Amino acid sequence: DTGVSQDPRHKITKRGQNVTFRCDPISEHNRLYWYRQTLGQGPEFLTYFQNEAQLEKSRLLSDRFSAERPKGSFSTLEIQRTEQGDSAMYLCASSLILAGQSYEQYFGPGTRLTVT
Amino acid sequence: LAKTTQPISMDSYEGQEVNITCSHNNIATNDYITWYQQFPSQGPRFIIQGYKTKVTNEVASLFIPADRKSSTLSLPRVSLSDTAVYYCLVGDPDNYGQNFVFGPGTRLSVLP
Repeated sequence: DTGVSQDPRHKITKRGQNVTFRCDPISEHNRLYWYRQTLGQGPEFLTYFQNEAQLEKSRLLSDRFSAERPKGSFSTLEIQRTEQGDSAMYLCASSLILAGQSYEQYFGPGTRLTVT
Repeated sequence: LAKTTQPISMDSYEGQEVNITCSHNNIATNDYITWYQQFPSQGPRFIIQGYKTKVTNEVASLFIPADRKSSTLSLPRVSLSDTAVYYCLVGDPDNYGQNFVFGPGTRLSVLP
């Protein structure tokens, strides 16, 4: 399967711990996006990359959230000092931007975070 | 941010055509309209995208009037497997993040 993959699929952590999630996009895609989704709500955009450049990060929820895409391939999302309110599904998506035209996003299965 | 308004929920029966309308009164010139489908415990899946008039693919049609202040997703002959949440997004793909917002979506229930 060559779709977007995320690891881990589930994460349970205690409040105050740091967590890191990984996303592997579709290989030829140059854009990668991170979202958070809580129950009953649509995905909430967090940040995105084009290749290794982080083009938008003002929507990250707080300075406890950070993301990297060091070589323009996989990406990591880190949450420091987790809080119970961080419990949610974290989704990653990728897309291809080619000759100025943007194509649809392909979403991964998500990482479900539970903070106890 | 380009704000969208959709019905919270809709019911339909198998075999019927379903039309879900999205209002986006403050759509900007460079904004596109995109629809996604989401099943429980899965990430959203792209359905269709358009800028104006009508777009059709193998699963749906998207109707956009001349003023572009609304759009209608049309699903022909729905089946039980079309039960899902449908999201309408409006924004400029070249300035993603500034104005792409998923609302709460429309929860479609297809009944036998």
